[in-house]
Amino acid sequence: KAGVTQTPRYLIKTRGQQVTLSCSPISGHRSVSWYQQTPGQGLQFLFEYFSETQRNKGNFPGRFSGRQFSNSRSEMNVSTLELGDSALYLCASSSSGPSIVNEQFFGPGTRLTVL
Amino acid sequence: DAKTTQPTSMDCAEGRAANLPCNHSTISGNEYVYWYRQIHSQGPQYIIHGLKNNETNEMASLIITEDRKSSTLILPHATLRDTAVYYCIVRPANSGGYQKVTFGIGTKLQVIP
Repeated sequence: KAGVTQTPRYLIKTRGQQVTLSCSPISGHRSVSWYQQTPGQGLQFLFEYFSETQRNKGNFPGRFSGRQFSNSRSEMNVSTLELGDSALYLCASSSSGPSIVNEQFFGPGTRLTVL
Repeated sequence: DAKTTQPTSMDCAEGRAANLPCNHSTISGNEYVYWYRQIHSQGPQYIIHGLKNNETNEMASLIITEDRKSSTLILPHATLRDTAVYYCIVRPANSGGYQKVTFGIGTKLQVIP
């Protein structure tokens, strides 16, 4: 079974631009979560989608948004990029529905550099 | 909002057991302890999880204290490929609690030949 895939793997943008990252979960998984990883802050939760609905959101500004499609693929968008948005963005999928304990499977990440 | 504390780094000799501690003194009754690891340049990899009983799988063992305020991940025979950052997190059984999940900085385990 193919793992979680993320595209692109590397991206360079300049301040003020916007960016869209894509994530394809493991086949059959309906939950997709996004995380931001920086050296100083570690892994921080951005948001989670399940069946095209955002279920949870972390403490990030409104410039960070996402969506999920009917095939469970997900995209996240960052508008008006800032230097501090440079990070590794990780996507994780799981098969869990509410009240089900389950592990997440992570993709390789997209390395975003903002100049 | 349970948080965890882990040592920043640890060394372990190849072939020996690696014991990685984690404190989660504010854990709630419905929160599980999860361990993940992240090898350089890769996404985190699930290792094991537990609620209150000790757990073992093909990768590791998880020992949770009776009061559930701390746990230890044990890699029984560490290899060089186990060199990674190990994250201990707590999360409720209900996935609706994901917003409270924080991975933190983790423990950087260096396995030494």
